[in-house]
Amino acid sequence: AAGVIQSPRHLIKEKRETATLKCYPIPRHDTVYWYQQGPGQDPQFLISFYEKMQSDKGSIPDRFSAQQFSDYHSELNMSSLELGDSALYFCASSLGWAGGSPLHFGNGTRLTVT
Amino acid sequence: TQLLEQSPQFLSIQEGENLTVYCNSSSVFSSLQWYRQEPGEGPVLLVTVVTGGEVKKLKRLTFQFGDARKDSSLHITAAQPGDTGLYLCAGAPWGSGTYKYIFGTGTRLKVLA
Repeated sequence: AAGVIQSPRHLIKEKRETATLKCYPIPRHDTVYWYQQGPGQDPQFLISFYEKMQSDKGSIPDRFSAQQFSDYHSELNMSSLELGDSALYFCASSLGWAGGSPLHFGNGTRLTVT
Repeated sequence: TQLLEQSPQFLSIQEGENLTVYCNSSSVFSSLQWYRQEPGEGPVLLVTVVTGGEVKKLKRLTFQFGDARKDSSLHITAAQPGDTGLYLCAGAPWGSGTYKYIFGTGTRLKVLA
């Protein structure tokens, strides 16, 4: 079965650079979520989209922005990168809102900021 | 405020032992999910529990949803080294009105051969 696909798998950037992470949800899933996971921490919710509209916002820095496109894929744009942005970034998708539908996660993008 | 507290936070056991992981909240959840995550990988969905009092079994794993839908437990029978990983409970609080989906604090399990 098709899963959530994230790209790139690994990304190395320098401070103050910009990064773009991409997420392709499971076909027919209409909701996308972005999470940030630091070493030894549980995933922290950043932002979610339902039917191409932002549905919820978590602890996402103002330097980050995201959107969901007409084909339901999503991109997380990160600017003015800081060392503390180094983390695993996961995208998840679900069918419908999270109240009843489990999230299916991609394998993440490991961002390293040097 | 962390709405989903897991215990224990860390667990190291010998192969063949049994263990139980708890996920507790003061909030009611419409459903709870359990995930297992291995280093560098995304969380993998193990089970969804929806009905209060529900018990689901997945091979050696038994999941239970509390009657009041505020807590859940994961019991592993005869643990194996392949069970090693981070176990996360997660869900959206009932009636949150938003697309909030939160994770528990996590339980890091290590099963020694």
